[in-house]
Amino acid sequence: ELKVEQNPLFLSMQEGKNYTIYCNYSTTSDRLYWYRQDPGKSLESLFVLLSNGAVKQEGRLMASLDTKARLSTLHITAAVHDLSATYFCAVDLRPGNQFYFGTGTSLTVIP
Amino acid sequence: EAGVVQSPRYKIIEKKQPVAFWCNPISGHNTLYWYRQNLGQGPELLIRYENEEAVDDSQLPKDRFSAERLKGVDSTLKIQPAELGDSAVYLCASRQSGVYNEQFFGPGTRLTVL
Repeated sequence: ELKVEQNPLFLSMQEGKNYTIYCNYSTTSDRLYWYRQDPGKSLESLFVLLSNGAVKQEGRLMASLDTKARLSTLHITAAVHDLSATYFCAVDLRPGNQFYFGTGTSLTVIP
Repeated sequence: EAGVVQSPRYKIIEKKQPVAFWCNPISGHNTLYWYRQNLGQGPELLIRYENEEAVDDSQLPKDRFSAERLKGVDSTLKIQPAELGDSAVYLCASRQSGVYNEQFFGPGTRLTVL
C-alpha cells in the first residue's frame, strides 16, 4: 500500500521567514500534486509536477519533485499571513489516476 | 466555467438514518471521484467512476454505502444506515483526461451523525 508522509504536520512561522514542507512517498510515481485547503473549504490546486526534476513557482511558493528520492518539497519564501492554510501533497498512481493524499501540513503564519 | 457542485453543504442526522449526497462534476469531465475526509486528515478515495462505470470501489464500505452515476454525469453517494463513525466531509472531484490529469474538487458535504 502506498504511504505518503508529510512533515512537519504543524508549522508555525513568522511573517517574512522561509520554510520547506516535505512530502515523501513509498512507491514509484512520476506525478505529484500540491493542494491548499482553507478551514471549512475544499481543496484548491496549487501545483502539478509531472516529471523528475520538475519545478513550479507561483508567488511565494515553489514546488519541486525528485522521483528517484520519492520526495517533493514545497518551499515558502518570505511568508505572509495569507498563506496560512493546510497544504496537502497527493501522489498519482497510474493507471486510474488514483490520488493518495499525504497527512497534510497545517501552516500558521504569525504577523 | 462552473466548478464541481455538491449538495447539501451540511447535513446533520441521527444514527441509523439514511443520507444522500449529490455531485455535479465539471462539464466534459469523464472521471468522477468520491472521497471521505476525516478531521485533520487527507481525503481518502471511496469510489471512482469512468463515465457510468464504477472502476474502483475497493474502499467503499459496501454494507452501508452505495453510489451511482446515471448517464455518466451527476452522481449520488448514499449511506444507509449511518453510523457515528461516518461523520466526515464527503468530497466529490472530477477530472478530464489529458496531460495534467488534475482533479478538481467540490466544496464538500459536512456530515454529522448524532
